[in-house]
Amino acid sequence: QVQLHESVPGLVKPSETLSLTCTVSGVSITSSYWTWVRQPPGKGLEWIGYIYYTGSTTYNPSLRSRLSISIDTSKNQFSLKLTSVTAADTAVYYCTRSISGGFNYLDPWGQGTLVTVSS
Amino acid sequence: DIQMTQSPSTLSASVGDTVTITCRASQNINSWLAWYQQKPGKAPNLLIYKASSLESGVPSRFSGSGSGTEFTLTISSLQPDDFATYYCQQYNSYPTFGQGTKVEIK
Repeated sequence: QVQLHESVPGLVKPSETLSLTCTVSGVSITSSYWTWVRQPPGKGLEWIGYIYYTGSTTYNPSLRSRLSISIDTSKNQFSLKLTSVTAADTAVYYCTRSISGGFNYLDPWGQGTLVTVSS
Repeated sequence: DIQMTQSPSTLSASVGDTVTITCRASQNINSWLAWYQQKPGKAPNLLIYKASSLESGVPSRFSGSGSGTEFTLTISSLQPDDFATYYCQQYNSYPTFGQGTKVEIK
């Protein structure tokens, strides 16, 4: 079955760049759209953005100036980079799949990885 | 962006109860709405998509309804495994989520 697994960057310092990679197994990454979602501790879910295997992306307008999502079809991976992070970027980051079309319901999800922004 | 408002924020119920969670959109989203269940320390799990379509493998006690701006998730005969937080998500435009409804044991 389709599985997603996020890398574990752990702690990132303020003003630095947060980098995450999601490895997809059980399906070719060329088959769907791939999305990042985050959840600050104890809070709700925020859609970050998606990428298609062609490299086409759409980002949350609130993060667009700091965000980059890329894809490596040879490794069946996609990645997120968020620059100039602050404590407000502390969250569990999930990678997930949009079944058909970037704006869609999300299934399945990775287990999530906690990223803490702190000096 | 489209705002999603869930009510209530917390719901206390007993095993066997039928519970209903409401999700309202700030503008028309047709039927482009999904519902997720999330348990502590776990990723969200898709329950319902396109407002009323049950995801494969999800028990039939979960049902969704609505269109336009008002939607409901109903859980019939609540089971111990159903105590969790539920989120709605619209995907008519770039996706946004409701703030969540925690279903707790009365």
